[in-house]
Order: sequence, then C-alpha cells, then structure tokens
Amino acid sequence: DTEVTQTPKHLVMGMTNKKSLKCEQHMGHRAMYWYKQKAKKPPELMFVYSYEKLSINESVPSRFSPECPNSSLLNLHLHALQPEDSALYLCASSQDRDSYNEQFFGPGTRLTVL
Amino acid sequence: GESVGLHLPTLSVQEGDNSIINCAYSNSASDYFIWYKQESGKGPQFIIDIRSNMDKRQGQRVTVLLNKTVKHLSLQIAATQPGDSAVYFCAEKDPMNRDDKIIFGKGTRLHILP
Repeated sequence: DTEVTQTPKHLVMGMTNKKSLKCEQHMGHRAMYWYKQKAKKPPELMFVYSYEKLSINESVPSRFSPECPNSSLLNLHLHALQPEDSALYLCASSQDRDSYNEQFFGPGTRLTVL
Repeated sequence: GESVGLHLPTLSVQEGDNSIINCAYSNSASDYFIWYKQESGKGPQFIIDIRSNMDKRQGQRVTVLLNKTVKHLSLQIAATQPGDSAVYFCAEKDPMNRDDKIIFGKGTRLHILP
C-alpha cells in the first residue's frame, strides 16, 4: 500500500464552524506533513510531524491545529477560519524526516470557507 | 524567501516531441532538487531527483540536468504523451539545512497538442 488517503475530498464551512481534515498512510512512514496550496500556486509547508511529535510549524495561525494521534494518522483541526483560508490542503508522508526521502502526497481536501 | 522559480508558466508541446521544463534557483548552498508532477485533482507526484554532486540523472523517459555554475536545472521528457499534461514543480531541500523541509518553485503547466 503506497497510498496516502485524505478525507473529506471537499469541505465547505462557515467562519464559525469547527471541522477536521484527516490523513492516513499505512506505509510505515514516520514523518507526516500538511501543506496548503492556493489555486495556481505551489504547495506551501504548514506543519511537519516526526515520530508523532511536531517538528516544524511554519508560523501557521492558531486557527489551524494539527494532531498526530499515531504514526499512521494526521489530523488538521480547523476553527474560526477566514475566507482567505480557502485552498487545497495536502497531506504527505515520508520514511522519516530526512528530506532526501521521497514524500508521498495524498489527493488533498479542497476547503471552501464562506 | 523562496529561491526556486521557473522561467515559463506554460509550455505547449506537440505530442511525440520532447519537452524541456526549466527551473532556476538562487542559493548556491542548495544541494538537492526534486521534480514533481501534479495532475488536475491530484496531489504532487515524485518524478525524479538529483543531488548537487551530479550533473545529470535519467529515469524512464525523463532526464534532469543540473548546472550549478548558473544555478539552473531542467526536466526533459522524451516523446511527450497526453498523460504528461500536468503542472510540473521543481523543489529544493531547504538550503538552511532543516532536514524536513522542501521548498516548491512556482510551477509550469505542460499542454500537449494533438
């Protein structure tokens, strides 16, 4: 299984809602990543988890809260988002945090904030 | 700031011809580069990588060339096929040497003409 899965595929939420994005991999990878991708732009790193511990937070606003409950799962909790947070949210995983290792990306969750 | 960028935002190529996608980087300390392909509705997919101790690396129908003198790399796709239609990103390992982070360039959209 060389797949990273993400749910939901699409999400529409209001600015007062609380929602969560989920990511799962069963490749035994110990590093997992959240990226944000705006339309026609490259992915931008948000968070990195290594061995279930947060290792990088790219100065992401606190309305985005990551969680890594175990080595296979990565969540991104969303609260009080703004319309400019609408984007494709990509999850990725790699064998470990060494960036010489290939990152495998999921298909993303397309988020719209109204 | 982001140091990896691309010369052209779009490239149109006749089916069967070779495609060349270019990328420039600014930090001479950058030592590892990756090309990703992102098809519509999907996450980025690893194509090929190259370390700075190499000038050329070949895969199946793809070749990456690295010119460290002018800080330029290119992706060559041989005998371009309709399935090659996608946005192609070059990315680099963070030259600040944080193991986890790769930085994506702006992307080139490849159109295949029938």
